[in-house]
Amino acid sequence: QSALTQPASVSGSPGQSITISCTGTSSDVGGYNYVSWYQQHPGKAPKLMIYEVSNRPSGVSNRFSGSKSGNTASLTISGLQAEDEADYYCSSYTSSSHPYVFGTGTKVTVL
Amino acid sequence: QLVESGGGLIQPGGSLRLSCAASGFTVSSNAMSWVRQGPGKGLEWVSVIYSGGTTYYADSVKGRFTISRDNSKYTVYLQMNSLGAEDTAVYYCARVNRASLDSWGQGTLVTVSS
Repeated sequence: QSALTQPASVSGSPGQSITISCTGTSSDVGGYNYVSWYQQHPGKAPKLMIYEVSNRPSGVSNRFSGSKSGNTASLTISGLQAEDEADYYCSSYTSSSHPYVFGTGTKVTVL
Repeated sequence: QLVESGGGLIQPGGSLRLSCAASGFTVSSNAMSWVRQGPGKGLEWVSVIYSGGTTYYADSVKGRFTISRDNSKYTVYLQMNSLGAEDTAVYYCARVNRASLDSWGQGTLVTVSS
């Protein structure tokens, strides 16, 4: 099972909006509405930001939103803030013999 | 809350058992997963055990790692055998909820080196 494809890095200025893509196949991203997104600051455990494509867990800022079109999911961060600087990973349920796969990860830099 | 333990330095070919103690919920009624992250690398899903007991493994660890749980101790385990340098990583335990990982432990470092 290959990892989902994400851009290595995305950057933006404070207040701007950025979008991170996550491309898979019809066997994972395109086949299920089970895409989730995680934020990870250096030296810390990942934190769930989005589940089931577009749902936010309690306590997650509404500046974070998720969507999906075909085999590509997206995470949008609006009103970019310094604290958003972190690594972001997507994940999807898959129909393969091992049910979950992560994306390659994207480093978000706030300029 | 999830707390991992059992990591450390181990020689190639050796074995190690990681533990993940849960509080606030029962491991028997939740799917639980292990995820690892090599130094400077991304997240890699390792294994999952569902509430019914079904288990799955990543190809990279299949046949070498075994996930299990002790319901009475609210603990999930990862038995790791035939360890190699490629298994060096921080290992996280996480609860699976609606196909996402909604609660994570702080991680435990496993270093495989002679």
